[in-house]
Amino acid sequence: KAGVTQTPRYLIKTRGQQVTLSCSPISGHRSVSWYQQTPGQGLQFLFEYFSETQRNKGNFPGRFSGRQFSNSRSEMNVSTLELGDSALYLCASSLELAGHTEEQFFGPGTRLTVL
Amino acid sequence: AQSVAQPEDQVNVAEGNPLTVKCTYSVSGNPYLFWYVQYPNRGLQFLLKYITGDNLVKGSYGFEAEFNKSQTSFHLKKPSALVSDSALYFCAVGSSASKIIFGSGTRLSIRP
Repeated sequence: KAGVTQTPRYLIKTRGQQVTLSCSPISGHRSVSWYQQTPGQGLQFLFEYFSETQRNKGNFPGRFSGRQFSNSRSEMNVSTLELGDSALYLCASSLELAGHTEEQFFGPGTRLTVL
Repeated sequence: AQSVAQPEDQVNVAEGNPLTVKCTYSVSGNPYLFWYVQYPNRGLQFLLKYITGDNLVKGSYGFEAEFNKSQTSFHLKKPSALVSDSALYFCAVGSSASKIIFGSGTRLSIRP
């Protein structure tokens, strides 16, 4: 079974630009979550999508948005990039069993650098 | 509000000694608890979970964790540390249909 894939793996952008990151979950997983990982802040929850609906949201500004498609693939978008958005963005997929989320499987991440 | 705390940024242990990485949590309802490990330049890998049942759960690479409801803790343990266990460890918590949030991480360093 293929794992979680994320594209692109690396991105370099300048301040003010926007970026779209893509995530393909493990087949059969309908829950997709996004996290931002930085050395100082650890893993910060961005949002979770389940069956094309945003089910949970973290404390990030509206510049961060996402969506999920009918095949469970997900994208996240960051508009008006700031230097502080430089981070590793991780996508994770999981099964939903008996009303709760099982363990998450993480992709390799997209390393975003904002200059 | 849901939260998880890893009080130690770094834990240093000699090879062969037991290790403990601490985690405490706060959540409404029944908690779902997870441990993940991140090796250098590699993605996050699932180690073990507590959903329900036996308070002592066993996971990959000889790790185990004990769910303690009264102390709201889920400490990660291993009886005998290996140098190869050196990595960044994350505790995570969720509840029914809630987001999974992660602790700040604990860097485990095993010296030969």
